[in-house]
Amino acid sequence: DQQVKQNSPSLSVQEGRISILNCDYTNSMFDYFLWYKKYPAEGPTFLISISSIKDKNEDGRFTVFLNKSAKHLSLHIVPSQPGDSAVYFCAAPNQAGTALIFGKGTTLSVSS
Amino acid sequence: EAQVTQNPRYLITVTGKKLTVTCSQNMNHEYMSWYRQDPGLGLRQIYYSMNVEVTDKGDVPEGYKVSRKEKRNFPLILESPSPNQTSLYFCASSPGGSVRGELFFGEGSRLTVL
Repeated sequence: DQQVKQNSPSLSVQEGRISILNCDYTNSMFDYFLWYKKYPAEGPTFLISISSIKDKNEDGRFTVFLNKSAKHLSLHIVPSQPGDSAVYFCAAPNQAGTALIFGKGTTLSVSS
Repeated sequence: EAQVTQNPRYLITVTGKKLTVTCSQNMNHEYMSWYRQDPGLGLRQIYYSMNVEVTDKGDVPEGYKVSRKEKRNFPLILESPSPNQTSLYFCASSPGGSVRGELFFGEGSRLTVL
């Protein structure tokens, strides 16, 4: 049973436009969410996070929105740049704090 | 530079030939973990360690062993590799004794078992 779902395997956006990556979760006990970015031949790197007590967290061009009632979060990138082309993973810590549970990832392609 | 270092980065081996993927972190982190990434499946946890001498299974531990004899090192051992263990492996660490925040990942080890 997949607890963190990223239903869009890929997204293509033009440079300068907004990229919106979506993530849904099934476990209402999740209280913290993270986004990771992964380039080919590199490990995932932390991008941004949000606690369940907030509905928005912003860091430069990146904003994460959390809708707890819908069990949905989204990552907005504005404006998108070609260097943002990567795989983006949504993740949440399990309740025991022993693992991050990852979605399957969304591949973002930003064209110039 | 703070980092998680894995070796080898790339390896092709044959079924049944024991191998070890090493992982070392220089950040004095308590928590370490191994994940594998497969197409269409995302990242799945193999084993984790909350601190020295304490390890436990993750979601996909079959065919793997680990040890945590010192804080900085967390090797992943494949006693008898099989083709279904062909994957991209990541070691990760976290400052606390649990995963409540950011995980720091190594660059990955791509393993092919023929």
